[in-house]
Amino acid sequence: EAQVTQNPRYLITVTGKKLTVTCSQNMNHEYMSWYRQDPGLGLRQIYYSMNVEVTDKGDVPEGYKVSRKEKRNFPLILESPSPNQTSLYFCASSSEGGPKQYFGPGTRLTVT
Amino acid sequence: QKEVEQNSGPLSVPEGAIASLNCTYSDRGSQSFFWYRQYSGKSPELIMFIYSNGDKEDGRFTAQLNKASQYVSLLIRDSQPSDSATYLCAVRYGNKLVFGAGTILRVKS
Repeated sequence: EAQVTQNPRYLITVTGKKLTVTCSQNMNHEYMSWYRQDPGLGLRQIYYSMNVEVTDKGDVPEGYKVSRKEKRNFPLILESPSPNQTSLYFCASSSEGGPKQYFGPGTRLTVT
Repeated sequence: QKEVEQNSGPLSVPEGAIASLNCTYSDRGSQSFFWYRQYSGKSPELIMFIYSNGDKEDGRFTAQLNKASQYVSLLIRDSQPSDSATYLCAVRYGNKLVFGAGTILRVKS
C-alpha cells in the first residue's frame, strides 16, 4: 500500500529538549516536504526536498532542521523546541512534477 | 510573500445544493492550482488540480481558473453531508506549495 508514515503521532515535550519526527514514504518519490498546521493559518511549509541531499527552506523554517540522506526518509529535527512550535505537523511526498502530494497522518506536538 | 486567500466560512449549504468555494492568489506567475479536502482530525487529500484557464470537471467537482483575475474556485454539485470538511486551496510557486487557510463547508441534511 502506497503510504507516508510519521512517528510519533503524538508527542508532549518540554522546552529545549531536542526531538526528531520521522517521515518515510514507500512510493520512491523525489519530492518530500514538511508542513505545520495551526488554527486560522492553514498549512505552512517548513522545508522541502527535491531529492537526496537537496533541501530548501519553505516559508517558516526558523527553529527546524531537516536532512535527506535516503530517498525514502525525511526527518524533521527540532534542536531546541519552544512553545510556539506547538502545532500539528504533516509530512508529504510526491513524484517530481506530479500534481498529487500524499500526506502522512500527522504528528501533534505539544511543547510546554 | 506569496499569498493564498480563502474565506474561512463556515459555508453552510443544504443537501443537494451547489457549494461554491473561492480562492485568490497574489502571484501572477503561478502555474498550478490545487484543491485539497481535509476531514476533521485527518490529513489533506487532493481532490482537484487545474493548470489552464477555464473549467475542469471530475464527477461532482468542477475547478474553475481565471488567471487574469487571479482567482480559482471549486464547485461541488449535489452536495452531500459527507462533503462536510475543510477545503484547502493551494498554489504552486516554483518548488513550493502555498496553502490558503481553508474554508469550512457544512452540508446540512
